Amino acid sequence: EPEVTQTPSHQVTQMGQEVILRCVPISNHLYFYWYRQILGQKVEFLVSFYNNEISEKSEIFDDQFSVERPDGSNFTLKIRSTKLEDSAMYFCASSEQASSNQPQHFGDGTRLSIL
Amino acid sequence: GESVGLHLPTLSVQEGDNSIINCAYSNSASDYFIWYKQESGKGPQFIIDIRSNMDKRQGQRVTVLLNKTVKHLSLQIAATQPGDSAVYFCAENTGGFKTIFGAGTRLFVKA
Repeated sequence: EPEVTQTPSHQVTQMGQEVILRCVPISNHLYFYWYRQILGQKVEFLVSFYNNEISEKSEIFDDQFSVERPDGSNFTLKIRSTKLEDSAMYFCASSEQASSNQPQHFGDGTRLSIL
Repeated sequence: GESVGLHLPTLSVQEGDNSIINCAYSNSASDYFIWYKQESGKGPQFIIDIRSNMDKRQGQRVTVLLNKTVKHLSLQIAATQPGDSAVYFCAENTGGFKTIFGAGTRLFVKA
């Protein structure tokens, strides 16, 4: 069964540094998403991406964050000038149709630790 | 405001018993609901979904019930197995691209 894959599985970064989290969505999917999960808490929506542009974003997704689909297979989340509170699991997800119509497929996440 | 929450943070059941996990939502405009299962170290995994024009949907060993009058969603797992131990999240979508997750319920299955 096709999977969403994320790399790296664990990223350790010094506060203030930039970090790029990478995702390879399922190949025929058109909608892409990033979520964050702080340890022990619920999964929080960050952003959705369709047709090479952001379709919706949450209040968490401020100017510090950006997303990009640099080629036909990768989908990245960049966090500029990381803060301690950015430490969390970051999940990428994708779906063939919009999330209002079908569930998303999630990767196993990247654990981001900010020191 | 929009929010999805859960009544109980943990649920412990005996293997073979049925499990019921509950969820309350506050956004009456939500029209699509999903249950996800999250095992340790993994991402959320789709279990079952339901649209607001339905009040019940069944899958393999799982049933989702939707009560729009009281804005309540439940997940029933029949004959619970050790492999069902995980955190279960309900999630809602109001028709856009944003899915809102609830707080999660941890299910423990005792052998």
